[in-house]
Amino acid sequence: KAGVTQTPRYLIKTRGQQVTLSCSPISGHRSVSWYQQTPGQGLQFLFEYFSETQRNKGNFPGRFSGRQFSNSRSEMNVSTLELGDSALYLCASAQGAATEAFFGQGTRLTVV
Amino acid sequence: TQLLEQSPQFLSIQEGENLTVYCNSSSVFSSLQWYRQEPGEGPVLLVTVVTGGEVKKLKRLTFQFGDARKDSSLHITAAQTGDTGLYLCAGGAGGGGADGLTFGKGTHLIIQP
Repeated sequence: KAGVTQTPRYLIKTRGQQVTLSCSPISGHRSVSWYQQTPGQGLQFLFEYFSETQRNKGNFPGRFSGRQFSNSRSEMNVSTLELGDSALYLCASAQGAATEAFFGQGTRLTVV
Repeated sequence: TQLLEQSPQFLSIQEGENLTVYCNSSSVFSSLQWYRQEPGEGPVLLVTVVTGGEVKKLKRLTFQFGDARKDSSLHITAAQTGDTGLYLCAGGAGGGGADGLTFGKGTHLIIQP
């Protein structure tokens, strides 16, 4: 059974650019959650999608957005990148609410 | 804003010793999850506790959820080098899943041979 796949694994971008990260959940999983992990703040919740609908959103600026496709794959986009956006971005997939979630290996974004 | 405080932040002990990691909050959570994360990997779920006072055992790991569902502890007996990693607690509004979890900043555990 394939795990959660995040692409790319590493990314370097310049301030002001935008970036799109991808997450392919485990087959059959319809819930995808995104988290930002930094040494100073730890893991912080960005948003959660279920069946193409955003059901929950964390406390991040509007520069952070996401979407989910009909095959449950999800993308998150960060526009007008800032140095502080450098982080490990993790996605987790689950069959639904109150079920075990599985995290991907993450995308390491560096903004220079 | 719900916060989870983990202690200690760093812990380095010898193989064979016992240890306890704590996760505390002023807020009540419906569920509390514990994860372990290794370098270059995403967190891996160890256990979910949902009932106040609940105790769960996973081999040498014992997890406890406080009676008031505001705190939790992880106890490792006879630590092994393979237990090395970042241990994270996460509070949720439901009985599981990764939607809207509040994570602690983690305990970096190093088990020395």
